[in-house]
Amino acid sequence: EVQLEESGGGAVRPGGSLRLSCVASGFSFDDYGMSWVRQGPGKGLEWVSGVNWHGSITTYAESVKGRFTISRDNAKNSLYLQMTSLRVEDTAFYHCARDGGYLGEFDSWGQGTLVTVSS
Amino acid sequence: QSVLTQPPSVSAAPGQKVTISCSGSSSNIGNNNVCWYQQFPGTAPKLLIYDNNKRPSGIPDRFSGSKSGTSATLGITGLQTGDEADYYCGTWDSSLSEGVFGGGTKLTVL
Repeated sequence: EVQLEESGGGAVRPGGSLRLSCVASGFSFDDYGMSWVRQGPGKGLEWVSGVNWHGSITTYAESVKGRFTISRDNAKNSLYLQMTSLRVEDTAFYHCARDGGYLGEFDSWGQGTLVTVSS
Repeated sequence: QSVLTQPPSVSAAPGQKVTISCSGSSSNIGNNNVCWYQQFPGTAPKLLIYDNNKRPSGIPDRFSGSKSGTSATLGITGLQTGDEADYYCGTWDSSLSEGVFGGGTKLTVL
C-alpha cells in the first residue's frame, strides 16, 4: 500500500522559513516523480512544485518561484520542500503527491501538513 | 481564480445521475490529459479518473470521465449519499508549465 506522510508544518511569521518533509513507503520511491500540492483552509487545490525521479528536474508555480525549493533523497525515500520568505497567502495544508503517468496527474496523496503564516 | 472552471455545487437525488463540468483552454485541457479527484472533508484527495476517462483499480464504474475540445466532464450514476464530497478536475498547462486544477465542485445528494 502506498503511504505518504508529511511533517514539518507549523506556525511562522511572515518572512520566515520552514522545511516540509514527506516520507514514502509501499512503492519504489526512485521510480516516480513527486509533487507538492497545497490547499488553503476552505479553498481548492493549488499545485506548488514537482521534481522528477532523479531530482535533476524541478518545476514551480509562479506564486512560489524563487522562494520555495523542492528536493528529494531517494536513499531515504523522502521528499522535501524548503520554504522561505513566507507570506500570509502561503497558509495552507501542504500535500505530498506521487506523480502518475501523465503531467498533472497525481495518483496517491498524503494527508497533508498545515502551514500557518501569520503575524 | 482557478485556471479551470467548475460549477461551485451540484445536487441530485439518490439513484440519479449527475455531471460535473470542467472548462479550460487549448493550453491545458485541449492538449493534455484530464484527471478527476474526490475529496471528503478532512481527508486527502483521491484519484478518481485519469487520462480523461480511465478509472484506477477499485473505483466503481458508476464514475466516468469524458473530454471534448477544451472541456471535460465527470459523470456519476446511481448516486449514493456516500458520494457527497468535493470533486476537482486537474491537468497540466503547457503554457504556464504548471499543474492546474478547477476550483472544485461540492456534490450534495439530497
